[in-house]
Amino acid sequence: DGGITQSPKYLFRKEGQNVTLSCEQNLNHDAMYWYRQDPGQGLRLIYYSQIVNDFQKGDIAEGYSVSREKKESFPLTVTSAQKNPTAFYLCASSMLFGHTFYEQYFGPGTRLTVT
Amino acid sequence: GENVEQHPSTLSVQEGDSAVIKCTYSDSASNYFPWYKQELGKGPQLIIDIRSNVGEKKDQRIAVTLNKTAKHFSLHITETQPEDSAVYFCAAGPNYGGSQGNLIFGKGTKLSVKP
Repeated sequence: DGGITQSPKYLFRKEGQNVTLSCEQNLNHDAMYWYRQDPGQGLRLIYYSQIVNDFQKGDIAEGYSVSREKKESFPLTVTSAQKNPTAFYLCASSMLFGHTFYEQYFGPGTRLTVT
Repeated sequence: GENVEQHPSTLSVQEGDSAVIKCTYSDSASNYFPWYKQELGKGPQLIIDIRSNVGEKKDQRIAVTLNKTAKHFSLHITETQPEDSAVYFCAAGPNYGGSQGNLIFGKGTKLSVKP
């Protein structure tokens, strides 16, 4: 099956600990994205990457870090510097033909709870 | 930057009726307008999208209309069914992603279809 996988589905951490969320895609998409979703809110962009070994900050990058060592993988680390990390985290990917914007496809999400 | 307003925040209809969700955007450079459906605990699913070179697009019971002059676009669902119940998100972005901009999402509309 082609698609985007995120693991784990639920994640619990103690305050002050860093935690890494996994995102893998086998769609051969160039671009990958991380969004944060809070109750009653839209999706807010954390980081995105258009090519391996390159990534850009989104609107709410503070307290997060990413890496893009492989085309298929775009892990997100929620650091202890993130003031309010409890949220639903969504990974997405899209084709990138030149610079033309193509459809973003989302993974199933990871619900992170920090206490 | 771009701002997307979505209305209503909740919508309840009887099975078989039509549902309309409206979004307005602020950035005249936006040219790509996708709609996503999100079921509880899952990632958003792209259901239809439109680019600024067309005014309307249909896919079976779903249609999207775009008025670039007024900067608003709408999702129309006809003959609603209980399985249409979900949260729907609109988004707006430029045709060119990456450094030139990314998708900005509305806050969502919770649609309930009563049997």
